[in-house]
Amino acid sequence: ETGVTQSPTHLIKTRGQQVTLRCSSQSGHNTVSWYQQALGQGPQFIFQYYREEENGRGNFPPRFSGLQFPNYSSELNVNALELDDSALYLCASSRASGVRSGANVLTFGAGSRLTVL
Amino acid sequence: GENVGLHLPTLSVQEGDNSIINCAYSNSASDYFIWYKQESGKGPQFIIDIRSNMDKRQGQRVTVLLNKTVKHLSLQIAATQPGDSAVYFCAENKGSQGNLIFGKGTKLSVKP
Repeated sequence: ETGVTQSPTHLIKTRGQQVTLRCSSQSGHNTVSWYQQALGQGPQFIFQYYREEENGRGNFPPRFSGLQFPNYSSELNVNALELDDSALYLCASSRASGVRSGANVLTFGAGSRLTVL
Repeated sequence: GENVGLHLPTLSVQEGDNSIINCAYSNSASDYFIWYKQESGKGPQFIIDIRSNMDKRQGQRVTVLLNKTVKHLSLQIAATQPGDSAVYFCAENKGSQGNLIFGKGTKLSVKP
């Protein structure tokens, strides 16, 4: 059973640029969630994808967007990068039986560390 | 790897002692709680969970206690080992919502 894999592991961008982060979910999982973790803080929920549609969103602006593909993998896109976007971006997968996928254990990847200069 | 423990509350224990990590959660409507462990350079790893219809749940060397009256959660680790050194997060979930709300975390340091 493969776990959650994320790429790239580290990347550096400049303000105003765009970034795409990728995530492969754990085998057997159909739901993907993205979290932002600033240094010294707990992860903050960005959004969740189920059946290729956004299924819940946290307090993040529209320049944070995502996709889920038929194989359940996912992308996180961030446009017009700002310095405060520097963080560890975590992808987590879970297995949900319905649209409302609360209360399911999330399996996290190791994250993509984004630095915005 | 990155230091996820900057500016976090720290608990330092001697190897072999028991550890108790506390967490105050925010939403009285939350009905599902999870403890995660995060080692430097890694993503959070599931430890144990508990639903709001229980007040105690035990795993291997770990016990979670839930006090809904005061919205308090604790994680007890028996016979703490150096490999337990990490940042520990509690997280809560409310009903059908798909997201977890994480606490700020506690850094556990185990002295050999």
